[in-house]
Amino acid sequence: DTGVSQDPRHKITKRGQNVTFRCDPISEHNRLYWYRQTLGQGPEFLTYFQNEAQLEKSRLLSDRFSAERPKGSFSTLEIQRTEQGDSAMYLCASSPRGGSYEQYFGPGTRLTVT
Amino acid sequence: ELKVEQNPLFLSMQEGKNYTIYCNYSTTSDRLYWYRQDPGKSLESLFVLLSNGAVKQEGRLMASLDTKARLSTLHITAAVHDLSATYFCAVDRGSSGTYKYIFGTGTRLKVLA
Repeated sequence: DTGVSQDPRHKITKRGQNVTFRCDPISEHNRLYWYRQTLGQGPEFLTYFQNEAQLEKSRLLSDRFSAERPKGSFSTLEIQRTEQGDSAMYLCASSPRGGSYEQYFGPGTRLTVT
Repeated sequence: ELKVEQNPLFLSMQEGKNYTIYCNYSTTSDRLYWYRQDPGKSLESLFVLLSNGAVKQEGRLMASLDTKARLSTLHITAAVHDLSATYFCAVDRGSSGTYKYIFGTGTRLKVLA
């Protein structure tokens, strides 16, 4: 069990560019979450997948954001036409079916939009 | 709307002292989680509290849950510098079916030598 991994760990991009992040959950975890954390704040929920189905999206997730989880394994989060306000740490977490519903967090991707 | 509040937001304490961080939440939940975050790092799980009256201890940290009062506490005993970090509590939204977390505001702890 290697834990949740995320790639890249850091991304610097210019305003208006598109970026894509990847998350590989712990194997056999069917629940996958994306959160966004800005400096000095707690993480905020963005979206949730159960297997390959995206079952909930936060109002924080504007039309410029899209997430996928093909085949219920890894997930991608894409931000189109990035804005400076998108600068944040993007955290991915996974959780097994049932049990305590504890979420296991990846190392995060820090996005800086210049 | 579920809200989770922590206090204090900032805590500076001397090594060897005791202190308690409080986490209040606004709607019913039976599960509460505590995480630690070091600067620039991700979240490290500390405690999972799954029922009213749950108490868990690990080293100098002890967490408890009172679901009737909608309150959890994280007690620090004889603080050491290595405990300096930001601590978050989170409540899951089981009623939504997604069990997404709602995080507290965080408590930034600094332990002074």
